[in-house]
Amino acid sequence: AQSVTQLDSHVSVSEGTPVLLRCNYSSSYSPSLFWYVQHPNKGLQLLLKYTSAATLVKGINGFEAEFKKSETSFHLTKPSAHMSDAAEYFCVVSWVGSQGNLIFGKGTKLSVKP
Amino acid sequence: NAGVMQNPRHLVRRRGQEARLRCSPMKGHSHVYWYRQLPEEGLKFMVYLQKENIIDESGMPKERFSAEFPKEGPSILRIQQVVRGDSAAYFCASSTIAGESDTQYFGPGTRLTVL
Repeated sequence: AQSVTQLDSHVSVSEGTPVLLRCNYSSSYSPSLFWYVQHPNKGLQLLLKYTSAATLVKGINGFEAEFKKSETSFHLTKPSAHMSDAAEYFCVVSWVGSQGNLIFGKGTKLSVKP
Repeated sequence: NAGVMQNPRHLVRRRGQEARLRCSPMKGHSHVYWYRQLPEEGLKFMVYLQKENIIDESGMPKERFSAEFPKEGPSILRIQQVVRGDSAAYFCASSTIAGESDTQYFGPGTRLTVL
């Protein structure tokens, strides 16, 4: 079965410090992995995706994620947090044969302190 | 190029009424997906449609829920005889092709409140 676990429901950082949002996945098949961001009362915006090409994926707004098959992880990082990064972040997996059916993690709420 | 559009953004219904949620995919996209987000949870897949066809409805509740994507017009998610447990945010996404690596673009969601 396919699943996604986001290890922290809430992460708080100070502005200008690094961000690490953790995600582990379980998939019997080669996965595609995504990170989406959701600002309050807004839709979801794609930050980045991994689809079996380079394992280090760069996304928008300075975010990046590294696919580590041996650790079944796809953690999201950013070197320096900005106040506008405060939002909820979802790690998402799909797989060959899923027909686009996405499996979402429960989300990590990121707070950024001034 | 307009993104995925959903309306209404907020919908209030009393128990027993019907709710109709609309989704217009991005231009050029022929694949539509519906997801439901309950409070404090991630999104859960409900149904995947192409024009005039339901491809995968494995996430749809067996009763009261239906979806369509007609040849012309938006995709509709219909909930009959709503109950309080239907209160949630419903998101629609669209993509150009179907596949595990294709990006789904999400609309702003419809927040349904059942009184």
